[in-house]
Amino acid sequence: GDSVTQMEGPVTLSEEAFLTINCTYTATGYPSLFWYVQYPGEGLQLLLKATKADDKGSNKGFEATYRKETTSFHLEKGSVQVSDSAVYFCALSDDTNAGKSTFGDGTTLTVKP
Amino acid sequence: EAEVAQSPRYKITEKSQAVAFWCDPISGHATLYWYRQILGQGPELLVQFQDESVVDDSQLPKDRFSAERLKGVDSTLKIQPAELGDSAMYLCASSLGVGRNIQYFGAGTRLSVL
Repeated sequence: GDSVTQMEGPVTLSEEAFLTINCTYTATGYPSLFWYVQYPGEGLQLLLKATKADDKGSNKGFEATYRKETTSFHLEKGSVQVSDSAVYFCALSDDTNAGKSTFGDGTTLTVKP
Repeated sequence: EAEVAQSPRYKITEKSQAVAFWCDPISGHATLYWYRQILGQGPELLVQFQDESVVDDSQLPKDRFSAERLKGVDSTLKIQPAELGDSAMYLCASSLGVGRNIQYFGAGTRLSVL
């Protein structure tokens, strides 16, 4: 079945540092890929998405590129802020399986001033 | 901005009792999802509805869990009887359709079974 593997956390960075959170996936079809963010006490909200190979999703300074050859969708940001502290989830949606979604286990990011 | 509404936000119950969670999706969203999120893990899909029909309930423990979306709008997830291992966050999400469509999540119901 489909699966998503994220780099283990927690990740602690200083403000303005460069962020990379690795995500790789396994899927039988051609999935759409997503990054969601969850702030304390809240539900998940979409950060960015990509629907086909080589697409780049971007939002709020975060970027991720759909790499079919390496089955990866790594999240990057050039300069993190304290307000970016949250849990980040990589996810895929399998269009060949009624759009079933599979999530990674999440990576907790803490940014210190 | 439209939101997915869930209630209650918190529920404490004793083992073997019945509990129910309610979800009201964003108006016009045909697809509704119920997820269980154990602390430190990602959401796990329990059931997915397309309008009032169940599309996927392969991970729903059907001996104790049930879900319905009678009129294709709001939905109820029930657990009877609750077990200690059911303690988790229960998230509801909705989307216009499946696949490439963005899922919008509610704030969740945190269940503690004592």
